[in-house]
Amino acid sequence: RKEVEQDPGPFNVPEGATVAFNCTYSNSASQSFFWYRQDCRKEPKLLMSVYSSGNEDGRFTAQLNRASQYISLLIRDSKLSDSATYLCVPSTGGSYIPTFGRGTSLIVHP
Amino acid sequence: EPEVTQTPSHQVTQMGQEVILRCVPISNHLYFYWYRQILGQKVEFLVSFYNNEISEKSEIFDDQFSVERPDGSNFTLKIRSTKLEDSAMYFCASSLQGTREKLFFGSGTQLSVL
Repeated sequence: RKEVEQDPGPFNVPEGATVAFNCTYSNSASQSFFWYRQDCRKEPKLLMSVYSSGNEDGRFTAQLNRASQYISLLIRDSKLSDSATYLCVPSTGGSYIPTFGRGTSLIVHP
Repeated sequence: EPEVTQTPSHQVTQMGQEVILRCVPISNHLYFYWYRQILGQKVEFLVSFYNNEISEKSEIFDDQFSVERPDGSNFTLKIRSTKLEDSAMYFCASSLQGTREKLFFGSGTQLSVL
């Protein structure tokens, strides 16, 4: 089983829409979680960190379900600039190395 | 805001040549990483570095690759004899407290091997 599984998309939504991505992880020892966004041919940039049940930052909400081993990212009022690939990265600390999957592609259109 | 800087932004080289990619991590960070991304593929881990030595490396990081922290600020990736398949975007990253914390990435070096 892959460490992280995400629907690759693309999710194609109009401006103003609400969109949610799910990410399932296999390592139950994962303690913290990070959502990164990556624009085409650019570096990944941290979007949100999740250390407990969830986190909210403006239009972005991340929720963690440890029992089911998934983490979701909700984007409200989508903007054109939200178009990117969203990467879910769980971490167990120690010598665990952050690994990136293919992520979920979001396209926000006018 | 502090940032990771990488130079050069683009590097073109001939197959078989040596290249050195340079990175300046955020000054108070202790953990350093190199990742690469082949066009259209996912970001792949190459190597992590802590306390002046390699802490983890992937299968990709073979004998052709080496890393060095020659002084208190630079962190370099050397590819001894480049191959066509080494063409990729190479990202340097750093973190303060290892993988419990987020990674800060540089803007990358696009390496093209001809």
